[in-house]
Amino acid sequence: NAGVTQTPKFQVLKTGQSMTLQCAQDMNHNSMYWYRQDPGMGLRLIYYSASEGTTDKGEVPNGYNVSRLNKREFSLRLESAAPSQTSVYFCASSDDRGPSRGYTFGSGTRLTVV
Amino acid sequence: QQQVKQSPQSLIVQKGGIPIINCAYENTAFDYFPWYQQFPGKGPALLIAIRPDVSEKKEGRFTISFNKSAKQFSLHIMDSQPGDSATYFCAATLPYGQNFVFGPGTRLSVLP
Repeated sequence: NAGVTQTPKFQVLKTGQSMTLQCAQDMNHNSMYWYRQDPGMGLRLIYYSASEGTTDKGEVPNGYNVSRLNKREFSLRLESAAPSQTSVYFCASSDDRGPSRGYTFGSGTRLTVV
Repeated sequence: QQQVKQSPQSLIVQKGGIPIINCAYENTAFDYFPWYQQFPGKGPALLIAIRPDVSEKKEGRFTISFNKSAKQFSLHIMDSQPGDSATYFCAATLPYGQNFVFGPGTRLSVLP
């Protein structure tokens, strides 16, 4: 099925551990995004990539790094996990056509840092 | 100025009722206002969207009303069904912008 695929779906980390969240899309979209979702705070942008080879910081980039490996894949890395990074992480890609632009989201990764 | 405010935080209606979710923004440069629907355990999905040159847009049972002068827009769900129970997010973006600013979300429960 076409869409955005995220792995893993669930993860528990100890404080200080590192991990990479993987995201891949098969819709030939140029732009990809990483958001975190916390109760009462909606979706906050961590990093985005407007095209292959480019990445930019969003609203809450501290503690994260990203890699746009190719047009399909955009990974998010936590180098030293902290309890404040406990959240649900969503990857999204977008069709850059102006009149109907919108995101396609993955199903999310629920991360708990203990 | 990049914020989008959304209310109420949660909403409970009976089947057949018309829940209304309201959003407000400050940045008059925003030019595209989508609504996303999210079911538990799933990612948000685009539901309906509007541009500020239109005062109303309908798609099925979902209607967006837009008040440019008040910088407000709202989502109405006609003849609501239990299957509409979800969290709804409003959002906004700038011209040629790729990043959406999201409201904090409204959790809707439609009772059978």
